[in-house]
Amino acid sequence: GAGVSQSPSNKVTEKGKDVELRCDPISGHTALYWYRQRLGQGLEFLIYFQGNSAPDKSGLPSDRFSAERTGESVSTLTIQRTQQEDSAVYLCASSLGSPTSYGYTFGSGTRLTVV
Amino acid sequence: QKEVEQNSGPLSVPEGAIASLNCTYSDRGSQSFFWYRQYSGKSPELIMFIYSNGDKEDGRFTAQLNKASQYVSLLIRDSQPSDSATYLCAVVGFKTIFGAGTRLFVKA
Repeated sequence: GAGVSQSPSNKVTEKGKDVELRCDPISGHTALYWYRQRLGQGLEFLIYFQGNSAPDKSGLPSDRFSAERTGESVSTLTIQRTQQEDSAVYLCASSLGSPTSYGYTFGSGTRLTVV
Repeated sequence: QKEVEQNSGPLSVPEGAIASLNCTYSDRGSQSFFWYRQYSGKSPELIMFIYSNGDKEDGRFTAQLNKASQYVSLLIRDSQPSDSATYLCAVVGFKTIFGAGTRLFVKA
């Protein structure tokens, strides 16, 4: 696609429910990242995928969070048993290769509200 | 100490003035740095990257890097109201670390 596509754009869920967020990166981009941005805060790294290598999961805040990516295509971020502190905008970004050489392109994000 | 620090602002400058945004980082081995602009309610967009000491100019934007002092800055010349946004400094790596951003407000 022309850009990084994320869905849904908005999600309201009840505390304790599971949610799944989807990211479709730019075609050909081997690197994919998930970040979380709480209201008025900076970007918090969650997870990084590079090609078929094992993902860097070091930013995931708890075991309720998981993410998958099949090859160099779509990624899903799953949050189980959502809590109110999970409310944030979840941003996905992709990069053509090494982030040192190429900037990220961000999707428009998924705004998650846990009530 | 946070890995990437920015003054949260808001930084307010009159239209036509130079806006100076600063960022310091803790990892002395960091090599590459990005500046992103984020309009309210929108996603960040890349505006500049720099990896060599000194200045890098692109239109009205100049990025400055001083690795010895571990700071990187962004100058915006002839500031316009449309430049009003949050500017995020990012230290690039496989786990790129973003600062919390500086809010810039350009008064017409």
